[in-house]
Amino acid sequence: DIQMTQSPSFLSASVGDRVTINCKASQNINRYLNWYQQKLGEAPKLLIYNANSLQTGIPSRFSGSGSGTDFTLTISSLQPEDVATYFCLQHNSWPRTFGGGTKLELK
Amino acid sequence: QVQLQQSGAELAKPGSSVKISCKASGYTFTSYDISWIKQTTGQGLEYIGYINTGSGGTYYNEKFKGKATLTVDKSSSTAFMQLSSLTPEDTAVYYCARGLGARWFAYWGQGTLVTVSS
Repeated sequence: DIQMTQSPSFLSASVGDRVTINCKASQNINRYLNWYQQKLGEAPKLLIYNANSLQTGIPSRFSGSGSGTDFTLTISSLQPEDVATYFCLQHNSWPRTFGGGTKLELK
Repeated sequence: QVQLQQSGAELAKPGSSVKISCKASGYTFTSYDISWIKQTTGQGLEYIGYINTGSGGTYYNEKFKGKATLTVDKSSSTAFMQLSSLTPEDTAVYYCARGLGARWFAYWGQGTLVTVSS
């Protein structure tokens, strides 16, 4: 199975900060990487698919980059409603595998 | 709009089985696979497998073979997951989800909490 390693596991930032979350695959997954946001008590929500494509309805402050094994989710200006846990998912190989998550809190 | 409505929380005893449902609406049920995902605090998110809602064909993550059984009822646009021989390690929130091309898991159910305890 492809292992997905996210960093950091925990992140504290202020409103307006630029925030980056990383995801590293144990082998090449091309650009088959999605990002999800999960707020407390809710199901995950798709933010980014295929590494850098913004899902419909997601604010443009969210962006994704990377290919191969290294990927980044960026929030250009953190908003209070962005407090959540963020996960990456590889859909290059079976079984699909998720990163361990990054918990984002406000400083 | 696409909706996936899951059945309610379950409390089950070790060694027993539970069957969770996921009722789809807002789209043609047989046009998209339904996947199932397990979420625990310790292990995070784990992919269980998917069912082709048209043919009934299935894929299981090796880890969940023998544990999960996926079925569908096309007449009610409902997917099911049965979990057998339950142990405390099966305590988790289970989600059904649907994709749209590369947009894997673009739509999620609200989750079903399964608690295994004697």
